[in-house]
Amino acid sequence: GESVGLHLPTLSVQEGDNSIINCAYSNSASDYFIWYKQESGKGPQFIIDIRSNMDKRQGQRVTVLLNKTVKHLSLQIAATQPGDSAVYFCAEREAGNTPLVFGKGTRLSVIA
Amino acid sequence: SQTIHQWPATLVQPVGSPLSLECTVEGTSNPNLYWYRQAAGRGLQLLFYSVGIGQISSEVPQNLSASRPQDRQFILSSKKLLLSDSGFYLCAWRVAKDTQYFGPGTRLTVL
Repeated sequence: GESVGLHLPTLSVQEGDNSIINCAYSNSASDYFIWYKQESGKGPQFIIDIRSNMDKRQGQRVTVLLNKTVKHLSLQIAATQPGDSAVYFCAEREAGNTPLVFGKGTRLSVIA
Repeated sequence: SQTIHQWPATLVQPVGSPLSLECTVEGTSNPNLYWYRQAAGRGLQLLFYSVGIGQISSEVPQNLSASRPQDRQFILSSKKLLLSDSGFYLCAWRVAKDTQYFGPGTRLTVL
């Protein structure tokens, strides 16, 4: 089946800088996209989501951008903190009851 | 508010032994329920999902099975564990078009 992939498997960022985690997807029928943060030994934690009728959505220190033309999704974290260190997963799904399809994950390391 | 529970949190089992992992959701009705497995340092592999009581969809043929005896209960089972069944098992739920949320996970080690 179609899958979601990531451009960068690891990312190291200086504390205080902005982080950008990228994700490419291949299913043109996907209409919902979501980012999760997973800390070691814990379940993934919801960060932010976006539907295909939007191209940008902002949360607290996080922004998700969706470019449907090139099937690209990104997560921007402002003023990255040590607590942001984790693995970040993107996921997408089609309309209806279809399950989420997850990317492989990007490990974000914040350098103090 | 909604809460999802998984137990046990950790489990060490010998090869060939049976397995039963339980997941329950509180504070919602008729959720979609999901079982994922995650190998160390890897991504999430969808194992089973259920859109209603007694309805199970299997994504990957393997040594595991799932059941949904009640609306908010999802059970992952095996009759005989293999070494390759080791991993981090995650249960998740969502309602309609809402966000999918994950439980805390069960760390299974098969020796």
